[in-house]
Amino acid sequence: QQPVQSPQAVILREGEDAVINCSSSKALYSVHWYRQKHGEAPVFLMILLKGGEQKGHDKISASFNEKKQQSSLYLTASQLSYSGTYFCGTEMLQAGTALIFGKGTTLSVSS
Amino acid sequence: DTAVSQTPKYLVTQMGNDKSIKCEQNLGHDTMYWYKQDSKKFLKIMFSYNNKELIINETVPNRFSPKSPDKAHLNLHINSLELGDSAVYFCASSQFSGAKVNSGNTIYFGEGSWLTVV
Repeated sequence: QQPVQSPQAVILREGEDAVINCSSSKALYSVHWYRQKHGEAPVFLMILLKGGEQKGHDKISASFNEKKQQSSLYLTASQLSYSGTYFCGTEMLQAGTALIFGKGTTLSVSS
Repeated sequence: DTAVSQTPKYLVTQMGNDKSIKCEQNLGHDTMYWYKQDSKKFLKIMFSYNNKELIINETVPNRFSPKSPDKAHLNLHINSLELGDSAVYFCASSQFSGAKVNSGNTIYFGEGSWLTVV
């Protein structure tokens, strides 16, 4: 089941904040966040694990509410380099660590 | 050194042709994947292999055939290409976590192969 991301798009000026949400109708064991710039591969940002452990980026924070099956990515004091499409991914309940990704949130930061 | 590398990066071909995309990872990972990203940027898993064994096949047409000669390589062969196959194909890899969820394993993507079918 594909996670649902909101909003679909965000337009910011440098220095502004943004929140991107990711929710699932199924139990979440972990949430993985990626950023993809135009014409490039998705790049790992952060992973949030059930139980509260967080691994990843030190300039971007995130939360994981296991009961609500939601995660939020917080981008504070945005920079031009934050522009791109953000994807959240959740684990498929099969062998391996395959992720199902949401449809993405496009963030545009201008000066 | 590129951790996950794919070739070719760009591929333009005619309908009906057969083409292959190659992928290699030097991260020592056991699991490799193929993802397809369409024009709407939807990133969808196609296949997952663990140490040469097929783990996931997400209802992909059988014109698509992955082949893993060893755990560091996962190639994608596509027969009888159709216009709808035009997309970016990403190879990726991760440590194998078995059936365990919440492992914390991260997926690393290759740079992508842009396939255009005309």
